[in-house]
Amino acid sequence: DIQMTQSPSSLSASVGDRVTITCRASQSINTYLNWYQQKPGKAPKFLIYAASSLQSGVPSRFSGSGSGTDFTLTISSLQPEDFATYYCQESYSNLFTFGPGTKVDIK
Amino acid sequence: QVQLQQSGPGPVKPSETLSLTCAVSGFSISSGYYWGWIRQPPGKAMEWIASVYHSGSTYYNPSLKSRVTISVDSSKNQFSLNLNSVTAADTAVYYCARHLSIAAAGGWFDPWGQGTPVIVSS
Repeated sequence: DIQMTQSPSSLSASVGDRVTITCRASQSINTYLNWYQQKPGKAPKFLIYAASSLQSGVPSRFSGSGSGTDFTLTISSLQPEDFATYYCQESYSNLFTFGPGTKVDIK
Repeated sequence: QVQLQQSGPGPVKPSETLSLTCAVSGFSISSGYYWGWIRQPPGKAMEWIASVYHSGSTYYNPSLKSRVTISVDSSKNQFSLNLNSVTAADTAVYYCARHLSIAAAGGWFDPWGQGTPVIVSS
């Protein structure tokens, strides 16, 4: 099975900061990597598919990159509504494994 | 705008069957796509459980396959999950979601239902 890890597990940042979250797969998954945002008590919101394609309606300050085993989610200028937990998810296998999440909170 | 509304029980006793339903509005299930269930145990990563195509074809997470049944009712525009012989390890928030699958780009879940907390306890 493919294992997904994320780093850091949490980070503190200020409004306007550039934030980068890393997701790593235990084996190559090409670009079959998606990102979600989840706020407390809410369902996850889909952000990015195929490693770097922005879902319609998602602000352009979000971007994704990577291929193979290493991926990044970048928020170019953190906004108050971006404080949340972010998850990666692989779709290379038929297990659709999620990463453990990275919590972004206010410094 | 596609919306998913979940319904189902709260507390479930060990060894019982958990049943959840997800009603879809703003889109006809018969038009296509897979529809799936994902769960989020407290303090753990989310786990995909199963997905069903509008035609009724299914696929399951092998780790849960022996206990799970997913089905679709196009006449009611909803799909359902049954998980039998539950234990405390099945305590989680359960989500339904549309499961999009594109050969060149993979598969993802969007949108999601509101989530149903399920506690397995005697």
